[in-house]
Formats: sequence, structure tokens, C-alpha cells
Amino acid sequence: ETGVTQSPTHLIKTRGQQVTLRCSSQSGHNTVSWYQQALGQGPQFIFQYYREEENGRGNFPPRFSGLQFPNYSSELNVNALELDDSALYLCASSSGQIFYNEQFFGPGTRLTVL
Amino acid sequence: ELKVEQNPLFLSMQEGKNYTIYCNYSTTSDRLYWYRQDPGKSLESLFVLLSNGAVKQEGRLMASLDTKARLSTLHITAAVHDLSAIYFCAVDNFGNEKLTFGTGTRLTIIP
Repeated sequence: ETGVTQSPTHLIKTRGQQVTLRCSSQSGHNTVSWYQQALGQGPQFIFQYYREEENGRGNFPPRFSGLQFPNYSSELNVNALELDDSALYLCASSSGQIFYNEQFFGPGTRLTVL
Repeated sequence: ELKVEQNPLFLSMQEGKNYTIYCNYSTTSDRLYWYRQDPGKSLESLFVLLSNGAVKQEGRLMASLDTKARLSTLHITAAVHDLSAIYFCAVDNFGNEKLTFGTGTRLTIIP
């Protein structure tokens, strides 16, 4: 059973560009959540995908968008990058059961915006 | 809006000592998580607390949850250097794994 994987590991972009981050969920998991962790802070919830549909969104502007594919892998897209978007982006997957589901976090993608 | 506060934010302690990290949250919830993060790394799940009065222990760490007081504690017993890390609590107040994290406690164990 493979865990949650993310790509790329590191990324450097310039202000105004667009970026796509990828996440492969753990085997058997149909729910993926994305979090942004700025330096020195706790992770902040961006949005969650369940069975290819967005299932809740945190306080992030529309230029943060996502997708979930039939194999439950997911993408996070950020348009018109700003300096403040520099952060560690974490995805987490869970099994989407009715009661408690433990989330498993991936290793993260560190995005630097210059 | 759910707020999760941890204290202290920074904790420097000697090996062998005991200490407690506190996590307060502002709305009703009976699901609380503790994570550990090493610098530049991802989050490692430590404990999941799912009901009032829940207590879990693993090695030198013990976590508890008081939903009436909206308080969780992470107690460290006889600290060792390997426990140096950032510790986060996170609350899931809708039961759907959309977590609100605290600001984190940076723990440094001094030999």
C-alpha cells in the first residue's frame, strides 16, 4: 500500500505566473484535502475534493482551484501568483467513510514565488 | 469562526523534565488531532481524540481531551532530545476532516 505522494517537491515561480501541484492519494482513499502552510504558521485548509467534486472550501480566493480525477488523485492550481503564495502546500487523503476518517498527509510541495 | 490557540508558542526544556502543551478551541467539537512536524517536513499524526475524556499515550507523550472546557493537552514525560519538533493540534468541528490548526508549539529539548 503506497502512501500519499506529491509532486514536485520544490518549485520556484515568479509573480503573476500560474502553477499546478499534484497529489496522489493513498490507495483506497477517495477524499483529498489541500492545505497551505506559510512559514512559521499552522496549515490552513484550502479545499477538499470527494469523489471528483469540491466538498468545501476555506478562505482562499478563486485563483486557487482544484481538480480530482477518477483515480482520486488531485491537482491544485494557483493563478496569478503573488509573493504571499510562497508556502508549503500539503495534501491529505482519507477514506470518506461515514464516521471518523484519519487523514494521511503527503510530504508537501514547497512553492517559492519571486 | 473556529479559532484554535496553542500555548506556549515556544518551549525550551531540559532533558528529563516534564511539561504540558495546551490547545484551546472556540467552538464545540469532539474531534481533535495532534501532529508533529520536523523542520521542512510534512505532518506526522500522533494522536486522534474522538470523545470527551479521551486519553491516549504513546511513549513519553500523552494527550487528553476535555470537550466541555474545549481544551486538549499534550503532556511530555521525561523529555528526550528526539522529541524536539513543532507540535500542532487541529480541530475537526464538522466531522468531515476539514481541519483548523493551531499556531503550533516549537519544542526544543536541551541536553
